[in-house]
Amino acid sequence: NAGVTQTPKFQVLKTGQSMTLQCAQDMNHNSMYWYRQDPGMGLRLIYYSASEGTTDKGEVPNGYNVSRLNKREFSLRLESAAPSQTSVYFCASTDDRTSGANVLTFGAGSRLTVL
Amino acid sequence: GDSVTQMEGPVTLSEEAFLTINCTYTATGYPSLFWYVQYPGEGLQLLLKATKADDKGSNKGFEATYRKETTSFHLEKGSVQVSDSAVYFCALSDRGTNAGKSTFGDGTTLTVKP
Repeated sequence: NAGVTQTPKFQVLKTGQSMTLQCAQDMNHNSMYWYRQDPGMGLRLIYYSASEGTTDKGEVPNGYNVSRLNKREFSLRLESAAPSQTSVYFCASTDDRTSGANVLTFGAGSRLTVL
Repeated sequence: GDSVTQMEGPVTLSEEAFLTINCTYTATGYPSLFWYVQYPGEGLQLLLKATKADDKGSNKGFEATYRKETTSFHLEKGSVQVSDSAVYFCALSDRGTNAGKSTFGDGTTLTVKP
């Protein structure tokens, strides 16, 4: 049971470099999310995708782009990395087509450092 | 908008001590409430949840009751273990469209000493 798989786990970038964080889920979930976690600030939503082919901005989208490649995969791209983007990034998914509480399943996280 | 306020940490307890982590929320609708736990080096995972007023969520000896009148969802455990050392997040999600968009508290770090 893989659940949500994120790559890479660790990455160091120089200011201005670009990179893509990959996320894949094998639970047939319709919705996928990218969060960032910073000390003392909880998790903040960057972008989400309610279904294949749709994406929407969350709380902190500036400096990021996303692609919902298919139902399983949701990537996050930093076009020109800045030190303020140093963070731990989490991908999550859920099936919110059903009524009731929508529990998020998280990946293990990707720790990004921008020098 | 929605918000979640958690008791500030860090919290340090001795093994077998009683744990309470306070959580209050502000929401325009009638949200579902969650506690997630993050062990060192891992992603968040669901600890327990409640979907309506007076519901009690429970798991691994942890409990939390959905109190609509006080807009609270405090986490409790009667006797903590060293293995409970982790960061605990209170969260809510709406019941409408995109219900999976959750609002998280800042997290409370718990350290349990033998």
